[in-house]
Amino acid sequence: GQQVMQIPQYQHVQEGEDFTTYCNSSTTLSNIQWYKQRPGGHPVFLIQLVKSGEVKKQKRLTFQFGEAKKNSSLHITATQTTDVGTYFCAANTGNQFYFGTGTSLTVIP
Amino acid sequence: DGGITQSPKYLFRKEGQNVTLSCEQNLNHDAMYWYRQDPGQGLRLIYYSQIVNDFQKGDIAEGYSVSREKKESFPLTVTSAQKNPTAFYLCASRIPGLSNQPQHFGDGTRLSIL
Repeated sequence: GQQVMQIPQYQHVQEGEDFTTYCNSSTTLSNIQWYKQRPGGHPVFLIQLVKSGEVKKQKRLTFQFGEAKKNSSLHITATQTTDVGTYFCAANTGNQFYFGTGTSLTVIP
Repeated sequence: DGGITQSPKYLFRKEGQNVTLSCEQNLNHDAMYWYRQDPGQGLRLIYYSQIVNDFQKGDIAEGYSVSREKKESFPLTVTSAQKNPTAFYLCASRIPGLSNQPQHFGDGTRLSIL
Protein backbone atom coordinates (compact mmCIF):
# COMPACT_ATOMS: atom_id res chain seq x y z
CA GLY A 1 0.00 0.00 0.00
CA GLN A 2 0.86 3.66 0.05
CA GLN A 3 3.97 4.54 2.06
CA VAL A 4 4.02 7.80 3.97
CA MET A 5 7.12 8.60 5.99
CA GLN A 6 7.13 11.29 8.65
CA ILE A 7 10.09 12.79 10.51
CA PRO A 8 11.15 13.35 13.16
CA GLN A 9 9.42 10.77 15.34
CA TYR A 10 9.90 12.86 18.48
CA GLN A 11 10.71 16.52 19.08
CA HIS A 12 11.30 18.31 22.36
CA VAL A 13 11.34 22.10 22.22
CA GLN A 14 11.54 24.91 24.71
CA GLU A 15 8.37 26.97 24.85
CA GLY A 16 8.68 29.77 22.33
CA GLU A 17 10.89 27.82 19.93
CA ASP A 18 9.70 26.81 16.48
CA PHE A 19 8.81 23.26 15.42
CA THR A 20 8.58 21.54 12.04
CA THR A 21 7.46 18.07 10.99
CA TYR A 22 7.94 16.66 7.51
CA CYS A 23 5.91 14.16 5.57
CA ASN A 24 7.21 12.33 2.47
CA SER A 25 5.59 10.00 -0.01
CA SER A 26 7.17 7.83 -2.69
CA THR A 27 4.26 8.59 -5.01
CA THR A 28 2.45 11.73 -6.09
CA LEU A 29 -0.45 12.55 -3.82
CA SER A 30 -3.80 13.98 -4.86
CA ASN A 31 -4.08 15.71 -1.52
CA ILE A 32 -2.83 15.50 2.04
CA GLN A 33 -4.50 16.09 5.37
CA TRP A 34 -3.00 16.94 8.76
CA TYR A 35 -4.33 15.78 12.12
CA LYS A 36 -3.40 16.49 15.75
CA GLN A 37 -3.78 13.96 18.53
CA ARG A 38 -3.51 15.22 22.09
CA PRO A 39 -2.12 12.77 24.68
CA GLY A 40 -4.82 10.25 25.50
CA GLY A 41 -7.10 11.67 22.83
CA HIS A 42 -8.16 10.98 19.28
CA PRO A 43 -6.92 12.57 16.05
CA VAL A 44 -8.58 15.85 15.13
CA PHE A 45 -8.53 17.23 11.59
CA LEU A 46 -6.46 20.37 11.12
CA ILE A 47 -6.32 21.08 7.40
CA GLN A 48 -6.18 19.70 3.87
CA LEU A 49 -3.77 20.69 1.08
CA VAL A 50 -4.64 20.01 -2.54
CA LYS A 51 -2.68 22.22 -4.93
CA SER A 52 0.96 21.92 -5.85
CA GLY A 53 3.03 24.37 -3.80
CA GLU A 54 0.03 25.30 -1.66
CA VAL A 55 0.66 27.14 1.61
CA LYS A 56 -2.02 27.57 4.26
CA LYS A 57 -1.83 29.24 7.65
CA GLN A 58 -3.80 28.79 10.83
CA LYS A 59 -2.58 31.34 13.37
CA ARG A 60 0.91 30.07 14.33
CA LEU A 61 0.67 26.94 12.14
CA THR A 62 1.90 26.97 8.53
CA PHE A 63 1.21 24.04 6.23
CA GLN A 64 2.97 23.49 2.91
CA PHE A 65 2.45 21.05 0.04
CA GLY A 66 5.47 20.42 -2.16
CA GLU A 67 5.65 21.39 -5.80
CA ALA A 68 5.79 17.73 -6.84
CA LYS A 69 2.95 16.86 -4.41
CA LYS A 70 5.13 14.22 -2.79
CA ASN A 71 5.93 15.99 0.44
CA SER A 72 4.37 18.28 2.97
CA SER A 73 5.36 20.09 6.13
CA LEU A 74 3.79 21.61 9.21
CA HIS A 75 5.61 24.47 10.93
CA ILE A 76 4.61 25.90 14.29
CA THR A 77 6.00 29.31 15.21
CA ALA A 78 6.71 30.12 18.86
CA THR A 79 5.36 26.91 20.35
CA GLN A 80 3.09 26.98 23.38
CA THR A 81 2.28 24.23 25.87
CA THR A 82 -1.10 23.83 24.19
CA ASP A 83 0.71 22.60 21.06
CA VAL A 84 1.71 19.37 22.83
CA GLY A 85 0.57 16.25 21.01
CA THR A 86 1.28 14.05 18.01
CA TYR A 87 0.91 15.48 14.54
CA PHE A 88 0.01 13.14 11.69
CA CYS A 89 -0.12 13.62 7.98
CA ALA A 90 -2.52 11.45 6.00
CA ALA A 91 -2.49 10.74 2.28
CA ASN A 92 -5.97 10.43 0.85
CA THR A 93 -6.43 8.00 -2.04
CA GLY A 94 -10.18 8.54 -2.27
CA ASN A 95 -11.37 5.52 -0.33
CA GLN A 96 -8.50 5.09 2.08
CA PHE A 97 -6.19 7.21 4.17
CA TYR A 98 -2.55 6.31 4.74
CA PHE A 99 -1.24 7.91 7.89
CA GLY A 100 2.33 8.86 8.56
CA THR A 101 3.97 7.55 11.73
CA GLY A 102 3.44 10.90 13.42
CA THR A 103 5.69 13.38 15.20
CA SER A 104 5.26 13.61 18.95
CA LEU A 105 5.85 17.17 20.16
CA THR A 106 6.80 17.95 23.73
CA VAL A 107 6.94 21.59 24.79
CA ILE A 108 9.05 22.37 27.84
CA PRO A 109 7.73 25.39 29.79
CA ASP B 1 -24.46 17.01 19.13
CA GLY B 2 -23.37 14.82 16.25
CA GLY B 3 -20.43 12.56 16.78
CA ILE B 4 -18.93 9.11 17.00
CA THR B 5 -19.30 6.97 20.10
CA GLN B 6 -16.96 4.10 20.81
CA SER B 7 -17.49 1.65 23.64
CA PRO B 8 -16.17 0.40 25.88
CA LYS B 9 -13.32 2.78 26.64
CA TYR B 10 -11.24 -0.07 28.10
CA LEU B 11 -11.55 -3.76 27.28
CA PHE B 12 -9.71 -6.84 28.45
CA ARG B 13 -9.50 -10.06 26.49
CA LYS B 14 -8.75 -13.54 27.72
CA GLU B 15 -6.86 -16.12 25.72
CA GLY B 16 -8.98 -17.66 22.98
CA GLN B 17 -11.76 -15.12 23.41
CA ASN B 18 -13.44 -13.01 20.76
CA VAL B 19 -14.33 -9.46 21.75
CA THR B 20 -16.42 -6.86 19.94
CA LEU B 21 -15.77 -3.14 19.92
CA SER B 22 -18.72 -0.88 19.29
CA CYS B 23 -18.74 2.17 17.02
CA GLU B 24 -21.87 4.26 16.50
CA GLN B 25 -22.15 7.55 14.60
CA ASN B 26 -25.02 10.02 14.15
CA LEU B 27 -23.25 12.16 11.55
CA ASN B 28 -25.14 10.50 8.69
CA HIS B 29 -21.80 9.49 7.13
CA ASP B 30 -21.74 6.62 4.68
CA ALA B 31 -18.07 5.75 5.13
CA MET B 32 -16.67 4.27 8.32
CA TYR B 33 -13.20 3.06 9.24
CA TRP B 34 -11.38 1.06 11.90
CA TYR B 35 -7.75 1.80 12.74
CA ARG B 36 -5.26 0.27 15.11
CA GLN B 37 -2.69 2.45 16.85
CA ASP B 38 0.33 1.02 18.63
CA PRO B 39 2.58 3.13 20.89
CA GLY B 40 4.80 5.45 18.90
CA GLN B 41 3.21 4.44 15.63
CA GLY B 42 0.75 5.85 13.20
CA LEU B 43 -2.73 4.63 12.46
CA ARG B 44 -3.02 1.41 10.47
CA LEU B 45 -6.23 0.61 8.63
CA ILE B 46 -8.00 -2.60 9.61
CA TYR B 47 -11.29 -2.41 7.69
CA TYR B 48 -13.38 0.23 6.02
CA SER B 49 -16.90 0.47 4.68
CA GLN B 50 -18.14 2.90 2.05
CA ILE B 51 -21.79 1.91 2.32
CA VAL B 52 -24.16 -0.33 4.26
CA ASN B 53 -23.68 -4.08 3.70
CA ASP B 54 -20.29 -3.55 2.09
CA PHE B 55 -16.80 -3.44 3.60
CA GLN B 56 -13.21 -3.84 2.48
CA LYS B 57 -10.05 -5.13 4.13
CA GLY B 58 -7.37 -2.66 5.03
CA ASP B 59 -3.66 -3.33 5.47
CA ILE B 60 -3.95 -5.39 8.68
CA ALA B 61 -7.32 -7.19 8.50
CA GLU B 62 -6.07 -10.62 9.59
CA GLY B 63 -7.59 -11.66 12.92
CA TYR B 64 -10.38 -9.08 12.71
CA SER B 65 -13.93 -9.08 11.35
CA VAL B 66 -16.58 -6.40 10.85
CA SER B 67 -20.20 -6.00 9.85
CA ARG B 68 -22.15 -3.04 8.46
CA GLU B 69 -25.82 -3.83 8.80
CA LYS B 70 -26.81 -0.27 9.64
CA LYS B 71 -25.46 3.05 8.44
CA GLU B 72 -24.89 4.20 12.01
CA SER B 73 -23.01 1.16 13.25
CA PHE B 74 -19.71 -0.50 12.36
CA PRO B 75 -18.68 -3.00 15.06
CA LEU B 76 -15.24 -4.59 15.04
CA THR B 77 -14.63 -8.10 16.37
CA VAL B 78 -11.13 -8.98 17.49
CA THR B 79 -10.95 -12.74 17.10
CA SER B 80 -8.75 -15.25 18.89
CA ALA B 81 -6.75 -15.46 15.66
CA GLN B 82 -5.34 -12.01 16.38
CA LYS B 83 -2.32 -12.99 18.46
CA ASN B 84 -1.25 -9.49 19.43
CA PRO B 85 -4.46 -7.54 20.03
CA THR B 86 -3.17 -5.11 22.64
CA ALA B 87 -3.57 -1.67 21.07
CA PHE B 88 -5.65 1.48 20.89
CA TYR B 89 -8.52 1.08 18.42
CA LEU B 90 -10.00 4.10 16.68
CA CYS B 91 -13.19 4.29 14.67
CA ALA B 92 -13.75 7.08 12.17
CA SER B 93 -16.36 8.20 9.69
CA ARG B 94 -16.57 10.63 6.80
CA ILE B 95 -18.55 11.54 3.72
CA PRO B 96 -17.14 9.18 1.07
CA GLY B 97 -15.95 9.97 -2.40
CA LEU B 98 -15.41 13.69 -1.91
CA SER B 99 -11.68 13.91 -1.42
CA ASN B 100 -11.77 17.07 0.68
CA GLN B 101 -13.78 15.55 3.49
CA PRO B 102 -11.90 14.88 6.74
CA GLN B 103 -12.31 11.89 8.98
CA HIS B 104 -14.07 12.30 12.32
CA PHE B 105 -12.78 10.05 15.07
CA GLY B 106 -14.28 8.50 18.16
CA ASP B 107 -12.50 8.56 21.52
CA GLY B 108 -11.10 5.06 21.01
CA THR B 109 -11.06 1.75 22.86
CA ARG B 110 -7.95 0.45 24.63
CA LEU B 111 -7.76 -3.33 24.40
CA SER B 112 -5.46 -5.40 26.58
CA ILE B 113 -4.82 -9.11 27.07
CA LEU B 114 -5.44 -10.61 30.50
